[in-house]
Amino acid sequence: DARVTQTPRDKVTEMGQEVTMRCQPILGHNTVFWYRQTMMQGLELLAYFRNRAPLDDSGMPKDRFSAEMPDATLATLKIQPSEPRDSAVYFCASGFGPSRGNTGELFFGEGSRLTVL
Amino acid sequence: AQTVTQSQPEMSVQEAETVTLSCTYDTSESDYYLFWYKQPPSRQMILVIRQEAYKQQNATENRFSVNFQKAAKSFSLKISDSQLGDAAMYFCAYRSTDFRDDKIIFGKGTRLHILP
Repeated sequence: DARVTQTPRDKVTEMGQEVTMRCQPILGHNTVFWYRQTMMQGLELLAYFRNRAPLDDSGMPKDRFSAEMPDATLATLKIQPSEPRDSAVYFCASGFGPSRGNTGELFFGEGSRLTVL
Repeated sequence: AQTVTQSQPEMSVQEAETVTLSCTYDTSESDYYLFWYKQPPSRQMILVIRQEAYKQQNATENRFSVNFQKAAKSFSLKISDSQLGDAAMYFCAYRSTDFRDDKIIFGKGTRLHILP
């Protein structure tokens, strides 16, 4: 049963520490998204990739966040240094690019809950 | 830019009854995808139903159906015979078919309570 795998599921860290979240997209999917979910802002897009190339990272605070896809089976989201306002659930999702005959849906991982003290 | 609006932050329905969740969106595009995702307390995002804008027929998945009104830019979700397991946060979502800008845009969500 193909699924998106995210690690860690939960992470508690102290302000100033580096945090790395990892995502294994579903094999064959060419588009990978990172979303952040908070009570106040809902689901916000941070960045997304197609065929490992970044398409849009405008939602990401550039001074502390970075997102990469070192290979087709791994996407990473790094926060350095972390701040309390980064506390949220971070979702990775994968899918195919839009085309006629493609259902267009994204498949989500279980999310990484980050708490920065 | 596209936007998705869910005007009902919370709703309640009696078990076995029918409930409709509202969603409107704004776009200048003619072809796109629309989705309803469910997020139970486990926080997993689960696809409930999808609709492609070029298809006029409303999508149906078992007890879940949509009322897609393209001209009105409305995409409501109807849940029939509500069950306790339907209690969750429901997100309406839009995805462009523009290959250069096809991110999914989510509404703020509607929390659905099922009353036994």
